Amino acid sequence: ETGVTQTPRHLVMGMTNKKSLKCEQHLGHNAMYWYKQSAKKPLELMFVYSLEERVENNSVPSRFSPECPNSSHLFLHLHTLQPEDSALYLCASSQGERYNEQFFGPGTRLTVL
Amino acid sequence: GQNIDQPTEMTATEGAIVQINCTYQTSGFNGLFWYQQHAGEAPTFLSYNVLDGLEEKGRFSSFLSRSKGYSYLLLKELQMKDSASYLCAVMDSNYQLIWGAGTKLIIKP
Repeated sequence: ETGVTQTPRHLVMGMTNKKSLKCEQHLGHNAMYWYKQSAKKPLELMFVYSLEERVENNSVPSRFSPECPNSSHLFLHLHTLQPEDSALYLCASSQGERYNEQFFGPGTRLTVL
Repeated sequence: GQNIDQPTEMTATEGAIVQINCTYQTSGFNGLFWYQQHAGEAPTFLSYNVLDGLEEKGRFSSFLSRSKGYSYLLLKELQMKDSASYLCAVMDSNYQLIWGAGTKLIIKP
């Protein structure tokens, strides 16, 4: 595997379900990000991890819970989501948080019924 | 508040030139990025500008004017595969990326 991978690519869940999104980067980067992408809206930064510590949490509802067990892996745990949470969830990584380009994974298309 | 503006959609002809504009108002400035995103795929990095002027990279060029809060992405010799969304993003004083909603570029034969 190369670059940034995400699983699953598609997920349909009910509002009472619990699921997790997984992201893995094979680039040796030390910063990882979760973004939400909704149609015709700007990318919304959700969480930033630098050296496995959370450094940014942009007022994301507690029904989204991130986990970064090491510099290569990032999870987003989901529980009791709402239909408006349906979106494309993108993971990205970079070397440092400043100036350097971010490399994105292909995303997880989430539908909440 | 912080804001990035770019046109929602543009149409151009194969072989032609197109310019996608981006204007921004942010708290501080630490560079401007352009990304390309094909439908259903990950955004991929195109360019980074932090100083005023034009950066050329093959068929793609990016221009920045910090005093005007303005950038553009210039695509030459358009090909059908250039049909995609183009995202403008500015890194603010906290080194956080502020994203535009993207410009969907449609290339016609």
